[in-house]
Amino acid sequence: DAKTTQPPSMDCAEGRAANLPCNHSTISGNEYVYWYRQIHSQGPQYIIHGLKNNETNEMASLIITEDRKSSTLILPHATLRDTAVYYCIVRIPQGGSEKLVFGKGTKLTVNP
Amino acid sequence: DVKVTQSSRYLVKRTGEKVFLECVQDMDHENMFWYRQDPGLGLRLIYFSYDVKMKEKGDIPEGYSVSREKKERFSLILESASTNQTSMYLCASSIPGQGTNQPQHFGDGTRLSIL
Repeated sequence: DAKTTQPPSMDCAEGRAANLPCNHSTISGNEYVYWYRQIHSQGPQYIIHGLKNNETNEMASLIITEDRKSSTLILPHATLRDTAVYYCIVRIPQGGSEKLVFGKGTKLTVNP
Repeated sequence: DVKVTQSSRYLVKRTGEKVFLECVQDMDHENMFWYRQDPGLGLRLIYFSYDVKMKEKGDIPEGYSVSREKKERFSLILESASTNQTSMYLCASSIPGQGTNQPQHFGDGTRLSIL
C-alpha cells in the first residue's frame, strides 16, 4: 500500500500557484519524498524530491514540514500543460530495489 | 535530459504469443525497471536490473522474463501472452547504486492489448 495520502482532485486557475498537499505521517528518517506527474497516456515524469529541507528546481518547489509528516508541491505559475495526475511518493527500500509505489494521486486541472 | 525510449506506444497481440517489449536509455544508467500500470492498482514492479546480465524479481514476475544483454537495453518478455497481461507497461532507469535516492526516469509506456 502507498504510504501517502493526497486529495483526489484539485482545480487551479491558469497563471496562479498550484499547491498540492501530501500526508506521509509514517515516513521514516531516511526516506525521501518524491513527486511525479503523469499526463494522460504518457509515462510518469519526475518533478522533484527532498528529505528535510525545502527544495526548488525549474519545475516546482517542495515544502516539507519540520516533522516530515506532510509536504506541499508548489507549481508557481500553473499553465494548461500542467493538467495531470500528481503523485507523492515515499521511497520504500526493498533490498536496494528502489521500488516506487504510486498511490491514487491528485488530478490537477488547470483552468483558463 | 534523460531519454528512456520504449519501442512501441501501442501493441496488439494474440493469446499464446511470445511478446517482446524493448526499452533503451541513453544516460548510461545501470538501474533499469519494468512496471505495469492498471486502473485502481497503480504501478507494480515486474522485474529490475542493476547491471548487464543481472536481474531481480519484483512483485509480480509470474508470466514474464527479462533480458539485459547491454547496459542501455532492457527487454521484457511475455512468454505466452494471456488476456490478463493487457496493460500499460512502463520502463524506467536510474543512476547506479543500491539505496541511492536518485529518481527513476520513465519512458512513455507501451499500451499492450492481448486478444
